[in-house]
Amino acid sequence: EAGVAQSPRYKIIEKRQSVAFWCNPISGHATLYWYQQILGQGPKLLIQFQNNGVVDDSQLPKDRFSAERLKGVDSTLKIQPAKLEDSAVYLCASSPRAGMYAYTFGSGTRLTVV
Amino acid sequence: KNEVEQSPQNLTAQEGEFITINCSYSVGISALHWLQQHPGGGIVSLFMLSSGKKKHGRLIATINIQEKHSSLHITASHPRDSAVYICAVSEQDGNEKLTFGTGTRLTIIP
Repeated sequence: EAGVAQSPRYKIIEKRQSVAFWCNPISGHATLYWYQQILGQGPKLLIQFQNNGVVDDSQLPKDRFSAERLKGVDSTLKIQPAKLEDSAVYLCASSPRAGMYAYTFGSGTRLTVV
Repeated sequence: KNEVEQSPQNLTAQEGEFITINCSYSVGISALHWLQQHPGGGIVSLFMLSSGKKKHGRLIATINIQEKHSSLHITASHPRDSAVYICAVSEQDGNEKLTFGTGTRLTIIP
């Protein structure tokens, strides 16, 4: 079974620039999550999709972050404009559906904003 | 909002030692997850528990729902076990959102 694919693995941008991350979940997984993990901290949920609908985006800074999951498959997360404090690893995870199912995580995208 | 606390934050042990990492949470959950994160690597799901105990190789995870507490044990620890171990809970909020602990950094010295 192929895992959760994320790209790019690394990205360095200047503040105020924009950046986009891509995630392809495991085939058939209805639930997709984007997490932000700042160095030394646990992951923080940014947004949760169930198929192509948003279930929870309460911690997504909507003035600069946006995410979409077209056709309920792969997803993109965008930051525009980036700030220094956005430097983090952005993790994508998927599960068959929310609840009593194991999550599969991607390798993450390490973003550095300079 | 669930508060997930792990202890210890850092743990260094000699190869072969028995390791215990603890996790406590504050409100009811539908499931608890133990995850492993190697430096620079992604996160791997080790266990998902809603009751009792699970074992996989040298890893054992237990949960006490009444006490809102879980432990992850590693028997005969090995340097390749060195990683950050993260406890996460699925909330009983309909969305089953995961709330993460801050992790335990384990270093096993040969």
